[in-house]
Amino acid sequence: AQSVTQLGSHVSVSEGALVLLRCNYSSSVPPYLFWYVQYPNQGLQLLLKYTSAATLVKGINGFEAEFKKSETSFHLTKPSAHMSDAAEYFCAVSEIFGNEKLTFGTGTRLTIIP
Amino acid sequence: DAGVIQSPRHEVTEMGQEVTLRCKPISGHDYLFWYRQTMMRGLELLIYFNNNVPIDDSGMPEDRFSAKMPNASFSTLKIQPSEPRDSAVYFCASSEPRGQGTEAFFGQGTRLTVV
Repeated sequence: AQSVTQLGSHVSVSEGALVLLRCNYSSSVPPYLFWYVQYPNQGLQLLLKYTSAATLVKGINGFEAEFKKSETSFHLTKPSAHMSDAAEYFCAVSEIFGNEKLTFGTGTRLTIIP
Repeated sequence: DAGVIQSPRHEVTEMGQEVTLRCKPISGHDYLFWYRQTMMRGLELLIYFNNNVPIDDSGMPEDRFSAKMPNASFSTLKIQPSEPRDSAVYFCASSEPRGQGTEAFFGQGTRLTVV
């Protein structure tokens, strides 16, 4: 069975500081990994995805994530936080082969301090 | 494409009433997913379809919940009778087969309040 663990349900950073949101996955087969962002009263929007090509993945709004198989991690980073980054972020995993379920983590709420 | 379209955006109903949530997936997508989001349980997959056929409904909480996909462009999630604990945001999402590395696209959600 596949699962995702997001460390830290709430993260606060100052504007201009580094953003680091942690995600560890568990999967019995090679995974696809995703980061989604949810703004208040909105649906989920894809930030970036790992699909077994490059291990460093760049997404929208200056975010990137690195797939580290040895650490079973897929942490999300952004060098300089912007006020508009305040939102909830979800890591998700699905299997390359087999069922099409997309399993989400519990989410991390990012607050930006002016 | 207009994306995944859900209706209504908000629904307030009384306990015991039937509630029907609707979803129009992105044209050409083979997979359709229904998720429920609550503060306590986060995002839960309720059921998903492939080519209009239900594949996995193990996330459906009770027999009060049912989902159908009569054709490739329409799906419903019905709750009968509704209870206050069903209050949540319900999302519909669609995708191409994951084997192509594609992501799921989400609708704006339906916020259900059962009083």
